[in-house]
Formats: sequence, C-alpha cells, structure tokens
Amino acid sequence: DIQMTQSPSSLSASVEDRVTITCRASQGIGNYLAWYQQKPGKVPNLLIYAASTLQSGVPSRFSGSGSGTDFTLTISSLQPEDVATYYCQKYDTPPFTFGPGTKVDIK
Amino acid sequence: EVQLVESGGGLVKPGGSLRLSCAASGFTVTGYTMNWVRQAPGKGLEWVSSISSGSSSKYFADSVRGRFTISRDNAKNSLYLQMNSLRADDTAVYYCSTRTPGMAFDIWGQGTMVTVSS
Repeated sequence: DIQMTQSPSSLSASVEDRVTITCRASQGIGNYLAWYQQKPGKVPNLLIYAASTLQSGVPSRFSGSGSGTDFTLTISSLQPEDVATYYCQKYDTPPFTFGPGTKVDIK
Repeated sequence: EVQLVESGGGLVKPGGSLRLSCAASGFTVTGYTMNWVRQAPGKGLEWVSSISSGSSSKYFADSVRGRFTISRDNAKNSLYLQMNSLRADDTAVYYCSTRTPGMAFDIWGQGTMVTVSS
C-alpha cells in the first residue's frame, strides 16, 4: 500500500506569515491528492482536491500544488481562524490513506 | 440544507457488535460513492471503508476487513456500517462522508462515537 507522510508534524507561525505544509506519497498518485482542515473539536473540511483545485467557499489564501509523489499546501497569509490540523489524503485507488496531519497554531 | 447524520454509536464490550447508520438529507446519495472514516481520541483520520453508488464495489481498510461490512440503501438515502468482533482499538468517532465524482470526500457528517471497553 502507498504510504502518506507529512512535514512538519506541527508548526507555529505569526499572523500574516506564509505557511507551507508538505505531503509525500511513497508511490506516484497523479494529482489524486486532497487537503482537509480540521479545527479543534470540529468535523474535517475539504479544502483542496485534485492537488490544486480549491473547494467552493474556501478562502483564496489557501493553495495547493504538486503531482506524482510530492505535494504542498500553502497558506499565503496565516489568519487566527486557520488554527487547525491539516491532513492530506490520496484518493486514486483504495486504500484512501490520510497523512498523519500537521498541527498549525499561532505564535 | 445538505447534511449527513450518523447514529448508532455507543459503548460495547470487546467482541461485541454495533451497526452505524448515516442518513442524508437535502440531497440524494444516488451517484455518490459513500465512505466511513474514523478518528480515535487524540489521533488522526483513518479511512475505514467505501461503497460505490450501486453497491457493486466495496473496499475496506486492512484493520477492519473481515469484521466490518458496508451497505447502503439508496431508496432510504442511507449508508450503514456493520461492525462485528469489535476491539478496543476500534474506539473512535466514526464519520460518514460522500465523494462527489471527480472530487475527494466533500460532505461529512458530525460523527458518532464508538467506545469498545469492558
């Protein structure tokens, strides 16, 4: 099975900082990569699918890039409401594995 | 309002069984692949199982294969997860979600808690 890794596992940044999270697949998955945001105590929310397509209603400060094995989620200007754990997920073929998550908070 | 509502969670002893349900409202699940995802307390997300729109294809994580079964009733706009031979490490919040064609897991329910403990 393809394994998904994320780095860093956590980060602390200042408001308006640019934040980058990396996700790596152990084998190529094309662009079948999604990013989810899960705020504390809340349900996961789809941010990006197809590696770079922003889900409707998601602020434009979020962006995604990559294909094959290496992917990136970028928050161009971190806001207080972005405090959350971010997960990547492969959804090409089962198992639809999630990455271990990256916890983002405000410095 | 488009929503998914899970039910059926609770406390069960190791080796026991539980059946989770997920009811959709505000839209019809026909045409959507449906999924179960779980999250153990303080842990990350774990994909559990998926079922195609016509129920012809069913997929399971290795951790639950042979113990869990997934089904759906499109006429009732509902998804189900039958969980047998439950273990302590099945303790988690179980979420149902849809997968719109061409997209990832886009609609999520609020989750139902399953606790396996003696």
